[in-house]
Amino acid sequence: QVQLVESGGGVVQPGRSLGLSCVASGLTFSSSVMHWVRQAPGKGLEWVATISFDGNIKFYSNSVKGRFSISRDNSKNTLYLQMNSLRAEDTALYYCAREGSSSGYSGYFDFWGQGTLVTVSS
Amino acid sequence: DIQMTQSPSTLSASVGDRVTITCRASQSISSWLAWYQQKPGKAPNLLIYKASSLESGVPSRFNGSGSGTEFTLTISSLQPDDFATYYCQQYNSFSPTFGQGTNVEVK
Repeated sequence: QVQLVESGGGVVQPGRSLGLSCVASGLTFSSSVMHWVRQAPGKGLEWVATISFDGNIKFYSNSVKGRFSISRDNSKNTLYLQMNSLRAEDTALYYCAREGSSSGYSGYFDFWGQGTLVTVSS
Repeated sequence: DIQMTQSPSTLSASVGDRVTITCRASQSISSWLAWYQQKPGKAPNLLIYKASSLESGVPSRFNGSGSGTEFTLTISSLQPDDFATYYCQQYNSFSPTFGQGTNVEVK
C-alpha cells in the first residue's frame, strides 16, 4: 500500500532554515506529481507547493514563494521541502501528499503522510 | 486566489441523520472540487473528486454534487465513524485552496 513518511520537523527560530523530507513507498514515485500541504495548529488546510514527476515544473503558494523550495530525488523515492527565512506563521504540521489524478496534474490529493511538525519560535 | 466558503462551520447531528454541507467558490471552478474527511490527529482522507466522483473504498452514503460555484456533500445516513471535520478544496487553478472546514459533531 502507499506510504508517505515525513521527517525533519522541529523547533526553529524565526529567520532560520529547515529542510523536510518525505519518503514514499508502494507507488511509482517517479511517475507521481507530489505536493506539500500544511495545517497550522487547530486551523484548516493550506496548499504549499507542487512538483512535477520529473522535477522540472514547480508551483508555490504566494505565502511561501521566494522562501521555500520543493525538490525531489526519484532515485531515492524522496520529496523535499527546503524552508528558508521562516516566520512564526509558518508554524504548522507539514504533510506530503500524492497527486490524485493518474493522468498528470490536477491538484487534488489522494494519499497523505502523517505529517511532520514545524514550530517557528524564539 | 479562489476563495472557498463552507457552511455551516459546525453541524450537530445524530446517527442516522441525513447531513448536508455546502461549499461555495468565489468564482466558477467547473467541477474541479474535492472533499476530504479529517479526524483528530489524522491526515485528511479523500472522499470525493471532480465534484461527484466517489474515491475508491469510500462508502456510498457519501455523495457529492454541484458545479460552477456551489457544491454540496451529503451523507445519507450518518454513521458513528463519520463524526469528523470535512473540507472542500478547489483545484481549478495552479493554486489549490481549501474551505475553512465543517465540524460534524454529536448532537
